Amino acid sequence: GEDVEQSLFLSVREGDSSVINCTYTDSSSTYLYWYKQEPGAGLQLLTYIFSNMDMKQDQRLTVLLNKKDKHLSLRIADTQTGDSAIYFCAESWGQLTFGSGTQLTVLP
Amino acid sequence: KAGVTQTPRYLIKTRGQQVTLSCSPISGHRSVSWYQQTPGQGLQFLFEYFSETQRNKGNFPGRFSGRQFSNSRSEMNVSTLELGDSALYLCASSRGLGDQPQHFGDGTRLSIL
Repeated sequence: GEDVEQSLFLSVREGDSSVINCTYTDSSSTYLYWYKQEPGAGLQLLTYIFSNMDMKQDQRLTVLLNKKDKHLSLRIADTQTGDSAIYFCAESWGQLTFGSGTQLTVLP
Repeated sequence: KAGVTQTPRYLIKTRGQQVTLSCSPISGHRSVSWYQQTPGQGLQFLFEYFSETQRNKGNFPGRFSGRQFSNSRSEMNVSTLELGDSALYLCASSRGLGDQPQHFGDGTRLSIL
């Protein structure tokens, strides 16, 4: 079956760049997503990339997709304390299959 | 433009009871999906509705059911509640069937005592 894997924790200093990594297994996925979840809240769609793209940039966010290795990454430039949250990658083949989430902690 | 609205935000029930959760999608969105989030299992797909019909279903027992109304609002029902049903239930909407991306509400936190 499909499986999406992420590392569980990441700590960075305020102002540094954060890179969150994800691997997926379903090569037929149409879209790949990054969602952010803050405590007590639902999932906020951050960005997404179509499977035939290699890169997408949206302000401080850069998504890289390596289809050969089935590897997806999210880079957050100039990370701020407000970026502290859990980040989920998800692959889509109609329904979403999520990774376990990466807890990003931004240190002052 | 209003986002996905889920009600209630919090619910406390006891084992054996049943519960109904509600989801109003973003205006113009016709597809509604439901997900369960627990610390142990993470985010898991429950089902998707489009045009008042269930189009896709995840691996959950028959105690979990749902429906969608003509205005695209959706409800999900869980009968004979078990302790393991304690979770955050998230609803997501998108414009059409298989159409992405999906936008999520803030969820309903269900606690079973």
